[in-house]
Amino acid sequence: KAGVTQTPRYLIKTRGQQVTLSCSPISGHRSVSWYQQTPGQGLQFLFEYFSETQRNKGNFPGRFSGRQFSNSRSEMNVSTLELGDSALYLCASSLGTGIPNEQFFGPGTRLTVL
Amino acid sequence: DQQVKQNSPSLSVQEGRISILNCDYTNSMFDYFLWYKKYPAEGPTFLISISSIKDKNEDGRFTVFLNKSAKHLSLHIVPSQPGDSAVYFCAASDGGSQGNLIFGKGTKLSVKP
Repeated sequence: KAGVTQTPRYLIKTRGQQVTLSCSPISGHRSVSWYQQTPGQGLQFLFEYFSETQRNKGNFPGRFSGRQFSNSRSEMNVSTLELGDSALYLCASSLGTGIPNEQFFGPGTRLTVL
Repeated sequence: DQQVKQNSPSLSVQEGRISILNCDYTNSMFDYFLWYKKYPAEGPTFLISISSIKDKNEDGRFTVFLNKSAKHLSLHIVPSQPGDSAVYFCAASDGGSQGNLIFGKGTKLSVKP
């Protein structure tokens, strides 16, 4: 069974640009969550989607948005990039929501904002 | 304000010995806890979890202990192996959607041969 895939793996952008990251969950998984990992803050929850609906949102500005498609694939978008957005963006999928529900993480997209 | 704290950024242990990674939390509503392991250039991998109705969960070399009164959990690895060298994250959930996991900042474990 293929794992969670994220594209692209690496991305370099400049301030003010926007970026779209993609995540394909494990087949059959309907829940997709996004996290931002930075050295200073660790992993921080961005948002979670289940059946194309956003169920939870973390404490991030409105420049960060996402969506989920009918095939459970998800995208996140960051507009008007800032230097502080440089981070590893991780996507995780799970069968459903609620506890217990093991999350499987992708390898991440390393975003560098210059 | 950090709700999940891993106060030791790093830990070094000799191969064959016990590794003990600690995690403290502040939110008494947390009722499910997980440990993830992360190697460089890979996403975190689920290791072991524990529900708040238990105080211990064991899986092979890995055991997680939960002390609710102290709001403290620990991960024990016995015996430690060089392949265990990684960053370990503690995470907690308040029983809602697991997508809202709150992570600690991680502890880097180095197991020396």
